[in-house]
Amino acid sequence: GAGVSQTPSNKVTEKGKYVELRCDPISGHTALYWYRQSLGQGPEFLIYFQGTGAADDSGLPNDRFFAVRPEGSVSTLKIQRTERGDSAVYLCASSTRGAGEAFFGQGTRLTVV
Amino acid sequence: KQEVTQIPAALSVPEGENLVLNCSFTDSAIYNLQWFRQDPGKGLTSLLLIQSSQREQTSGRLNASLDKSSGRSTLYIAASQPGDSATYLCAVGGGNTPLVFGKGTRLSVIA
Repeated sequence: GAGVSQTPSNKVTEKGKYVELRCDPISGHTALYWYRQSLGQGPEFLIYFQGTGAADDSGLPNDRFFAVRPEGSVSTLKIQRTERGDSAVYLCASSTRGAGEAFFGQGTRLTVV
Repeated sequence: KQEVTQIPAALSVPEGENLVLNCSFTDSAIYNLQWFRQDPGKGLTSLLLIQSSQREQTSGRLNASLDKSSGRSTLYIAASQPGDSATYLCAVGGGNTPLVFGKGTRLSVIA
């Protein structure tokens, strides 16, 4: 596709469950970023991949959060034992290189009930 | 730690007005600055990217300036239209570090 694709667009899950959020970046983009956005706030950085490796995971809030990008393209953000405080919009972005122009997907709205 | 502030938090103007949105950042050692637009319930749309060596970028009715030494950027919107109503986000990048965002300015253009 032409842009960054995120699935699902909406996810409702029960507290304590495991969820996976998927990001399909623009073809050829080596850098991929995950952000989280709460209502009325700017996006908050979670993790940054350069190729297959996590170049910076300092934004992950705790060890319940994990992300992978095994083939340097699609990435999955995984959240274990979800809590109500995890409810937010999770945004993915990609760029041709670190610090290139970033293009964002439409986000996944996660609601933990 | 880089911090980005956007002023004002919200702005309401009549259609046709020219307006300026402000963005400031604490660490001037940036690689680039990017302005985004976000419509309610949607992702971010890139508007303008300014490299650290540049002073401004223009796209249609939008003009963004960058003063790295003072840690400031402005987004100028000429002849505003109701369709410009959205939240505008400023973000700074530091090379191989990810973008750091402000909280945004929520713009309403009244017909």
